[in-house]
Amino acid sequence: EIVLTQSPGTLSLSPGERATLSCRASQSINNNYFAWYRQTPGQAPRLLMYDASRRATGIPDRFSGSGSGTDFTLTISRLEPEDFAVYYCQQYSSSSLTFGQGTRLEIK
Amino acid sequence: EVQLVESGGDLVQPGGSLRLSCVASGFTFSTYWMHWVRQAPGKGLVWVSRVKTDGSYTNYADSVKGRFTISRDNARNTLYLQMTSLRVEDTAVYHCAAGPSGYVTYWGLGALVTVSS
Repeated sequence: EIVLTQSPGTLSLSPGERATLSCRASQSINNNYFAWYRQTPGQAPRLLMYDASRRATGIPDRFSGSGSGTDFTLTISRLEPEDFAVYYCQQYSSSSLTFGQGTRLEIK
Repeated sequence: EVQLVESGGDLVQPGGSLRLSCVASGFTFSTYWMHWVRQAPGKGLVWVSRVKTDGSYTNYADSVKGRFTISRDNARNTLYLQMTSLRVEDTAVYHCAAGPSGYVTYWGLGALVTVSS
């Protein structure tokens, strides 16, 4: 099983600032089969990025994804109020899919 | 509008069984892989199982293999999860989810399964 480790556990920033979230895999991810999701309290997760750097439908261009191999990054260029939530990374390179433990992005 | 509506969540004793259902609408159900993803109270997302578009392929997380069975009925736009030999650690909200294969495009709000004596 590929283990995904997200950092930091909690990120405290202000609206308008830039956020950088990281996810490290225990094995190399083939074909950049990597996704990011955002979840706000009481809501279902929402797909942000897939194939490491492709934005999902309706996701604004202030979200960007990058990385390859074992290290992946989600960058939010200018934080909006709705961005303060929990973010999860996920790999689909192996048949056993796995998620990271989550990064909580909170208002400073 | 895409909707995934789960049902069947309940309180069950350890060792018991339960079947979850998920009715899909607003997209072409038969062209999407379907998943179950669970989330224990206050915890993160954990993938449970998925089934291919036509039901010909399924796979499971090691923690549920041999105890849970995923299936789908494309004529009824419905996904199922049969859960047996339930354990306390299976307590979670179970989200029904749809995607092209490995990642999830659409999510349901989930059904709460509580395993307790």
